[in-house]
Amino acid sequence: DAGITQSPRHKVTETGTPVTLRCHQTENHRYMYWYRQDPGHGLRLIHYSYGVKDTDKGEVSDGYSVSRSKTEDFLLTLESATSSQTSVYFCAIRQAGASYEQYFGPGTRLTVT
Amino acid sequence: QKEVEQDPGPLSVPEGAIVSLNCTYSNSAFQYFMWYRQYSRKGPELLMYTYSSGNKEDGRFTAQVDKSSKYISLFIRDSQPSDSATYLCAMSSGGAGANSKLTFGKGITLSVRP
Repeated sequence: DAGITQSPRHKVTETGTPVTLRCHQTENHRYMYWYRQDPGHGLRLIHYSYGVKDTDKGEVSDGYSVSRSKTEDFLLTLESATSSQTSVYFCAIRQAGASYEQYFGPGTRLTVT
Repeated sequence: QKEVEQDPGPLSVPEGAIVSLNCTYSNSAFQYFMWYRQYSRKGPELLMYTYSSGNKEDGRFTAQVDKSSKYISLFIRDSQPSDSATYLCAMSSGGAGANSKLTFGKGITLSVRP
């Protein structure tokens, strides 16, 4: 257990509504990541953060925004959810330094109807 | 050509078999290599982490990296039904910022039959 929690764990929402997913870590790691996982596509990076207020886009960032106002929290927002954003979302953390392995949270299963 | 290719599977083996899982990659800058195990409806769990070429062993698991061939492998000896999961390879070129990202294979689902 890498001390990562995600909330909510499951959510069903309607097309066009905003949705915010939360990732919380207890170990003060510098790097945090948001991925989505879909059949046939594997894990794809949405956004990542390398410090408070420092974020950057990943390979599938369209339709998503992020914020990190505290070290321990990394928020992923779907401004106007679409059915193509139905997915399982994972948060991951990494320590700073020369070690590049990431540790994943339990995931949030999001369904957009 | 995708940066990381992994056999899509699925793979089914009898209990006790030796399992070989493989990934190939195209980016010669990759030097940090990982294997993750993911049980159904759970998050990926780090299984093995290696740097550069060579072998690393941990119990029944051996990770092997051949940078000259751009090929990595995970061997599972004496496979158990509890090894049934999806296995993902991942790799990084290291560095800061964007270079710290991991590139994942799509994963292979392994089923070990009792």
